[in-house]
Amino acid sequence: EIVLTQSPATLSVSPGDRATLSCRASQSVGPYLAWYQQKPGQAPRLLIHGASTRATGIPARFSGSGSGTEFTLTISSLQSEDFALYYCLQYHTWPPWTFGQGTKVEIK
Amino acid sequence: EVLLLESGGDLVQPGGSLGLSCAASGFTFSDFAMSWVRQAPGKGLEWVSHITSNSGTTYYADSVRGRFTISRDNPKNILYLHMTNLRAEDTAVYFCVQRSKDYYFDSWGQGTLVTVSS
Repeated sequence: EIVLTQSPATLSVSPGDRATLSCRASQSVGPYLAWYQQKPGQAPRLLIHGASTRATGIPARFSGSGSGTEFTLTISSLQSEDFALYYCLQYHTWPPWTFGQGTKVEIK
Repeated sequence: EVLLLESGGDLVQPGGSLGLSCAASGFTFSDFAMSWVRQAPGKGLEWVSHITSNSGTTYYADSVRGRFTISRDNPKNILYLHMTNLRAEDTAVYFCVQRSKDYYFDSWGQGTLVTVSS
């Protein structure tokens, strides 16, 4: 089973600042990594797939990068609606599909 | 627009059984594999089970194998999860998820809460 480790657990950022979230895989997942945003009481929403491809309707301030075992989600200028939980998912080797434990982006 | 609407969540005693449903619309249901993903209160996301578009193959997480059964009715556009021998650690919101043709999880339902407690 591929283990995904996200860091940091909590990221405190001021509105308008850049946020950088990390996801590390226990073995190579190639480009087969996705990012999701989840707000309280809501379902996760797909942001990025293929490590760097934005999903339909996702603003350009969200960008993904990386391959193999090291991945980054960058939010270039945080808006109020971006404060949420973020999860990474690997879909290189399944089953099982595995998620990271999440990073909470909170207002500084 | 893809819509996934889960139902069936309830309070059930340990050792009990429960069935969840997910009504799908807005896409050709029979063309897509589907999964169930759960989230325990205050915890992260855990993949539970998966079924191919024609029900030919099913997969289960180790934590539920032998207790949960996934199935689908393509003519009715419904995904199911039958859960038996429920444990306290099965308490979670259960999400119905459409898997994309490129194998990541695309659209999600709003979830249904299963609580296992005496």
